[in-house]
Amino acid sequence: QSALTQPASVSGSPGQSITISCTGTSSDIGGSDYVSWYQQHPGSAPQLIIYDVTNRPSGVFSRFSGSKSGNTASLTISGLQAEDEADYYCSSTTASTTVIFGGGTRVTVL
Amino acid sequence: EVKLVESGGRVIRPGGSLRLSCAASGFSFGDYGMSWVRQVPGKGLEWVSGIKWNADRTVYADSVKGRFIISRDNAKNSLYLQMNSLRAEDTALYYCVRDHSSGWYDGFVIWGQGTMVTVSS
Repeated sequence: QSALTQPASVSGSPGQSITISCTGTSSDIGGSDYVSWYQQHPGSAPQLIIYDVTNRPSGVFSRFSGSKSGNTASLTISGLQAEDEADYYCSSTTASTTVIFGGGTRVTVL
Repeated sequence: EVKLVESGGRVIRPGGSLRLSCAASGFSFGDYGMSWVRQVPGKGLEWVSGIKWNADRTVYADSVKGRFIISRDNAKNSLYLQMNSLRAEDTALYYCVRDHSSGWYDGFVIWGQGTMVTVSS
């Protein structure tokens, strides 16, 4: 199964809001309640920032929010900060109960 | 402190076998699903395999099905990945990850530091 489709890069200025899309099919995102988002800084392991489409683990800032419409999930970062510069990955379960990741999006804070 | 520590990664020749281990501490290991996720340095994430909290269900990515076996020992707070018939494309950093719930698919909330597997002649 092919990876979920994410834009290669997204950029924004401090304080702005940005949205990262993650497009799949009805066999994954469209049919799944289990969409997650991860943040990865260089040299570090990924960190879960959104699970079950919209939920934030404890300790994750409220400026991170998730949503889903049809076969596309989205991560919005409101009030962009310098420390948000990182790679972001979406993931979803599939109809065959496997897990699939997106290709990743590099977020740059201008 | 909640922690996952992987071990077992090394350089190995194509066609060889390797067993990765993951030692968990700081949480009730037997309550949670676990997975292995790999990443080629500088590239994206790829989910490899997952196992339910009680080991009665295991799932694999198509790229490793029939070659890799995931298992766990809840009494030893440990997760394993038996890797057989290794190929060059299996070269990656392998992360042990804990799920948010008892399954293997509900968000990977805890990550180890990874263990590097290099398949090369």
